[in-house]
Amino acid sequence: DAKTTQPTSMDCAEGRAANLPCNHSTISGNEYVYWYRQIHSQGPQYIIHGLKNNETNEMASLIITEDRKSSTLILPHATLRDTAVYYCIVRASNTGKLIFGQGTTLQVKP
Amino acid sequence: NAGVTQTPKFRILKIGQSMTLQCTQDMNHNYMYWYRQDPGMGLKLIYYSVGAGITDKGEVPNGYNVSRSTTEDFPLRLELAAPSQTSVYFCASSYSGAGYGNGYTFGSGTRLTVV
Repeated sequence: DAKTTQPTSMDCAEGRAANLPCNHSTISGNEYVYWYRQIHSQGPQYIIHGLKNNETNEMASLIITEDRKSSTLILPHATLRDTAVYYCIVRASNTGKLIFGQGTTLQVKP
Repeated sequence: NAGVTQTPKFRILKIGQSMTLQCTQDMNHNYMYWYRQDPGMGLKLIYYSVGAGITDKGEVPNGYNVSRSTTEDFPLRLELAAPSQTSVYFCASSYSGAGYGNGYTFGSGTRLTVV
C-alpha cells in the first residue's frame, strides 16, 4: 500500500472551512484514498473515500488531483466537535488492510 | 445493531500473565481486524481475517494470536504479557477489502496496562 504524507497539525477557526492536505505520490491505479478521523482516543470513524473523482457526503468533500498524487479533505463549516486526528490512507482494492500513518491533528478554535 | 463490541474496556495485567480480548460484530461483516495504538501514535495492524477460519498477520503480530471460528467473533490472545504490550486495542470490521462505502466500523477499544 502507498504511503501518505500529512502535516502534523493544523488550526482552523470555527465556522470556516478546514482543508486537510495529503500527499500520496506513489499511489497505484487500483488504490483508493480513504479518510478517517479519531476523536479523543475513541475508535476511528470513517469519513469518505474515493478513487479518481471528487466525492462529497454529509460530512465532507474529497478532492483528488488529476494525477492522483495528492488529495484534500474539506470540512465545509468546521465546528469544535471536528477537533480530532485525521488520517489519510491509500489502500488497494484487492487487499483487506488499512495501514494508518501519523495523521493530522486538527484543532478547531472558537 | 450493536456494531462492534469489545470487552473488557479496561484491564491491568501482570508481566507474564495471559488474557483474551474479545471482539464481536453483528453486521455480518466478513473482514475483521485488530489494531493497537500506543500513546500519541497512529494505529498499527496486528492481525486480520477475511472470513471464518482465515487469519493473517499485520504489521506487529509478535506476542499475539488470533482465531476466527465464526463470522461474528474475532478474539485476540496475549500470551506472556510484557510491558511493551501496554496499549489501546481496537477491533474493526468491514464488508470487504476496499472500495465499498462506509469503510471499517471500529469498536470503542480496550485499554490494557501491563505492570
